[in-house]
Amino acid sequence: QSALTQPASVSGSPGQSITISCTGSSSDFEKDNVVSWYQQEPGKAPKLIIYEVNKRPSGVSNRFSGSKSDNTASLTISGLQAEDEADYYCCSYGTYFSYVFGAGTKVTVL
Amino acid sequence: QVELAQAGGEVKKPGASVKVSCKASGHTFTNYNMHWLRQAPGQGLEWMGIIRPSGATGYAPKFEGRVTMTRDTSTSTVDMDLSSLRSEDTAVYYCAREMDKSYKFDYWGQGTLVTVSS
Repeated sequence: QSALTQPASVSGSPGQSITISCTGSSSDFEKDNVVSWYQQEPGKAPKLIIYEVNKRPSGVSNRFSGSKSDNTASLTISGLQAEDEADYYCCSYGTYFSYVFGAGTKVTVL
Repeated sequence: QVELAQAGGEVKKPGASVKVSCKASGHTFTNYNMHWLRQAPGQGLEWMGIIRPSGATGYAPKFEGRVTMTRDTSTSTVDMDLSSLRSEDTAVYYCAREMDKSYKFDYWGQGTLVTVSS
């Protein structure tokens, strides 16, 4: 089970919207609608920001949204802010009862 | 508040074993699965396995035979033992909790750096 594919980096100016894609095979998304996304700031533990494709935990800004079409999940950050600079990881539950992650996307606010 | 507390770090020689602990507080320990994940320096996240409230475990194929996860309900602690260490095992090891069948890691420990070096 290989890692999900994410772009290495995405950048945008403050106020813009950016989208991070997360692509896998059908086996990577074998369990429907269990894609999650994590934000990781340097030197810190990951933080859950999206679960079940498009749900936000309490306290997470509504500027974060998720979607999925076929074998590609996406995370959109709207109204980009300096505090959004971080690494972002997608995660799914696939075959062999295992979780698989993307390699991560570094978001830079220009 | 929910907290998953992990110790700071360990240095081990190749071939040795390491035990990493995670103590939970602020929630009902027996209601959650606990997972272990790791992150090599400059790399992404990697799932290692799960231990359920019953003590039943499930390990990623890559770690099967080398990893053992246990939990102690009396102290709300989960442990992860990794044996036959090699340099590629140098990583930050995280515990994370999951409500059964939620498929999301909603709280994470701060991580334990394990360095494998001769």
